[in-house]
Amino acid sequence: EAQVTQNPRYLITVTGKKLTVTCSQNMNHEYMSWYRQDPGLGLRQIYYSMNVEVTDKGDVPEGYKVSRKEKRNFPLILESPSPNQTSLYFCASSLTPGTGGQKLFFGSGTQLSVL
Amino acid sequence: GENVEQHPSTLSVQEGDSAVIKCTYSDSASNYFPWYKQELGKGPQLIIDIRSNVGEKKDQRIAVTLNKTAKHFSLHITETQPEDSAVYFCAAYPASSYDKVIFGPGTSLSVIP
Repeated sequence: EAQVTQNPRYLITVTGKKLTVTCSQNMNHEYMSWYRQDPGLGLRQIYYSMNVEVTDKGDVPEGYKVSRKEKRNFPLILESPSPNQTSLYFCASSLTPGTGGQKLFFGSGTQLSVL
Repeated sequence: GENVEQHPSTLSVQEGDSAVIKCTYSDSASNYFPWYKQELGKGPQLIIDIRSNVGEKKDQRIAVTLNKTAKHFSLHITETQPEDSAVYFCAAYPASSYDKVIFGPGTSLSVIP
């Protein structure tokens, strides 16, 4: 089944404790991206990647890191989480980047709470 | 940069009635406008999209209209059903970077049986 898989689904952590949220897609998509969803703000893009070893900042990249060493994986890293990073996170992928937009396939989300 | 506004933030309709959600965007060069539906506990899913060279697109009970001059686009759902209850997001892709996407804040639609 074609899908984007995120783990974990729920995560509670404390301020400053490094964490990684994994994202994997099995559709051989070139483009992958991360979003955070907050009430009243919709989905805001954190980082995106157009292909292996190519990453770029979205609108809210502060406090996050990503890497794209393999085509299928795009982990989101919080080196020193803070309470304002408490949010619902989504990973998404699409077949190709650019050219004015492509259908995004989203994972099921990761609810992160930073105490 | 691109900014997308969406109204209303919440919408309740009786089953069988129509629902309309409107979005406005700021970048006149944006050329792709998707709509995503997010059911409770799930990730958003594309339901319909429109490109700037088209004024209207339909898919069964849903349709999207685009007014490039006014820089707004709308989602129309006819004959609403309880399973249409969800959060709907519009989005636009700024001309400055077609790899970035700007989402609206979302509309929570409730269809009352």
